[in-house]
Amino acid sequence: GAVVSQHPSWVICKSGTSVKIECRSLDFQATTMFWYRQFPKQSLMLMATSNEGSKATYEQGVEKDKFLINHASLTLSTLTVTSAHPEDSSFYICSASLRVNEQFFGPGTRLTVL
Amino acid sequence: QKEVEQNSGPLSVPEGAIASLNCTYSDRVSQSFFWYRQYSGKSPELIMSIYSNGDKEDGRFTAQLNKASQYVSLLIRDSQPSDSATYLCAVNGPAAGNKLTFGGGTRVLVKP
Repeated sequence: GAVVSQHPSWVICKSGTSVKIECRSLDFQATTMFWYRQFPKQSLMLMATSNEGSKATYEQGVEKDKFLINHASLTLSTLTVTSAHPEDSSFYICSASLRVNEQFFGPGTRLTVL
Repeated sequence: QKEVEQNSGPLSVPEGAIASLNCTYSDRVSQSFFWYRQYSGKSPELIMSIYSNGDKEDGRFTAQLNKASQYVSLLIRDSQPSDSATYLCAVNGPAAGNKLTFGGGTRVLVKP
């Protein structure tokens, strides 16, 4: 149980385009989903916390108009990187939480912006 | 001062030896502590959680928590080459809800 999927697993796009990443909890309903970003040789940095049916809470320094998060159901959250630029190239990881102190991570999406 | 600190390593240990990883945290009211293993190019996977002072053992892994000194450690006994990975310490406090704060990770290399 507690499986989280992400799609796509990797994406290459041109600068200025938008990219959507999906995060799904496959066998449970997640009260909260989290989006992280990880640059090479660095740790995970939380970007935003997302609750179903409400606006995401963004961490300081994360542009909410650039990283659009939609949490339409208890099993799906999406992150859209708008007008992507090479500096947005990173490993994006979501996690889903059913209870406090439990986070199950998706496999990650590697974004490369040319 | 970083909220969660780890030695970046690499920590090189011979196969069969004990790998000892340390993590310190700054928020004294932190309540929940986690160790994740992350292989290169993969997402983290939870290997241990600990909530109260003392030791917690799970197979070859032992987590140790000392809230007074604000550190949590992870011991890996009988280290195997497959244990070579980056180990992330994560902390959760009462004010943070479900949010985890991660340390920078310690890279472990187990040499056959």
